[in-house]
Amino acid sequence: AQSVTQPDIHITVSEGASLELRCNYSYGATPYLFWYVQSPGQGLQLLLKYFSGDTLVQGIKGFEAEFKRSQSSFNLRKPSVHWSDAAEYFCAVGARAGNMLTFGGGTRLMVKP
Amino acid sequence: GAGVSQSPSNKVTEKGKDVELRCDPISGHTALYWYRQSLGQGLEFLIYFQGNSAPDKSGLPSDRFSAERTGGSVSTLTIQRTQQEDSAVYLCASSFQQGGNQPQHFGDGTRLSIL
Repeated sequence: AQSVTQPDIHITVSEGASLELRCNYSYGATPYLFWYVQSPGQGLQLLLKYFSGDTLVQGIKGFEAEFKRSQSSFNLRKPSVHWSDAAEYFCAVGARAGNMLTFGGGTRLMVKP
Repeated sequence: GAGVSQSPSNKVTEKGKDVELRCDPISGHTALYWYRQSLGQGLEFLIYFQGNSAPDKSGLPSDRFSAERTGGSVSTLTIQRTQQEDSAVYLCASSFQQGGNQPQHFGDGTRLSIL
């Protein structure tokens, strides 16, 4: 069974600073990988996804993520954080033979002015 | 609207009562999922529907939980004899097709509080 670990429960960055949110997965093959963002009181919005090919994927809102097979990681990055990026971020794995997503525990991002 | 719609947005009920949560998926999406989001447990898969196939109920935590999907569209999640540990946000998602590579589109959830 697949699993996802997001080691950082909370992260605080200053507005304009760069951001990296960590995600490690456990899966027997190359998984399908997703990053979602959740603002308070709302559902999850898809930021980006990786299926195959180029290991650096671009998403919405200026986010990108890099798949590193050797490290079983799929870290999310943004060069310059905006106050509106404050939210909770979830990494998820979709199995090639399955249907549901397995989510990490989430990282709550706070942005200092 | 074009997104996944869930109702009610908030539900407060007494322990022991039954509750029904509704989900309207995106039109044309054949796959529908229910997840539960609670403090300390993160996001847990509950149940999955695909077309007319038998649902995958492997995530339902007890036989008090059930769900149905009528006409391949609207879904209802029912919790019988609610317990305080059922307090959580229940999220519904839909995708165009089944498969682990299908992006799931989420509703805003139903926040369920059991007194």
